[in-house]
Amino acid sequence: GIQVEQSPPDLILQEGANSTLRCNFSDSVNNLQWFHQNPWGQLINLFYIPSGTKQNGRLSATTVATERYSLLYISSSQTTDSGVYFCAVNAGNNRKLIWGLGTSLAVNP
Amino acid sequence: GAGVSQSPSNKVTEKGKDVELRCDPISGHTALYWYRQSLGQGLEFLIYFQGNSAPDKSGLPSDRFSAERTGGSVSTLTIQRTQQEDSAVYLCASSVRVRDAEAFFGQGTRLTVV
Repeated sequence: GIQVEQSPPDLILQEGANSTLRCNFSDSVNNLQWFHQNPWGQLINLFYIPSGTKQNGRLSATTVATERYSLLYISSSQTTDSGVYFCAVNAGNNRKLIWGLGTSLAVNP
Repeated sequence: GAGVSQSPSNKVTEKGKDVELRCDPISGHTALYWYRQSLGQGLEFLIYFQGNSAPDKSGLPSDRFSAERTGGSVSTLTIQRTQQEDSAVYLCASSVRVRDAEAFFGQGTRLTVV
């Protein structure tokens, strides 16, 4: 089945810094989502982005479907950005989301 | 409701007891999914519903796990004879349709089996 790899696994930033998180997938996808899991465990939808570029405030994402990767950009990071960022995809006739292992982000004041 | 609602938020149960976890999806969403997340891990698919039917039960870990959905709305995940390895956060999601649609998650039920 399709494999999803996220990098880096861990990231520590100083408040105000920018970062790029990457998600690679091994096959064509129908759907790709980025989530932020906050320290209380809630999964928050960031982007639904099977292709193209989207922006939402300090966050933006780009998916290059032909090259099988997606990038999540965080600019001017804040302590509230801390948590785990997950990329999840589905492909073909598979209805379930396949998840990466996440990038654990800590933003220090 | 405005979002996916799960209850209870936390459940502590003794080994061997049965538990029921409830998910109330976003109104009008035909697809409903159950996942679980063990400590420090990614999400593991359990089962999904299209309406009241469950076309894919492949992720259920054992026959102690079952789920149903009624009226195309509320779903219940039942774990019989709970074991310590069942301890995890159980997450429910819904989407407007099964294919090519954004999934929205509830806050989860944290299950601890002692």
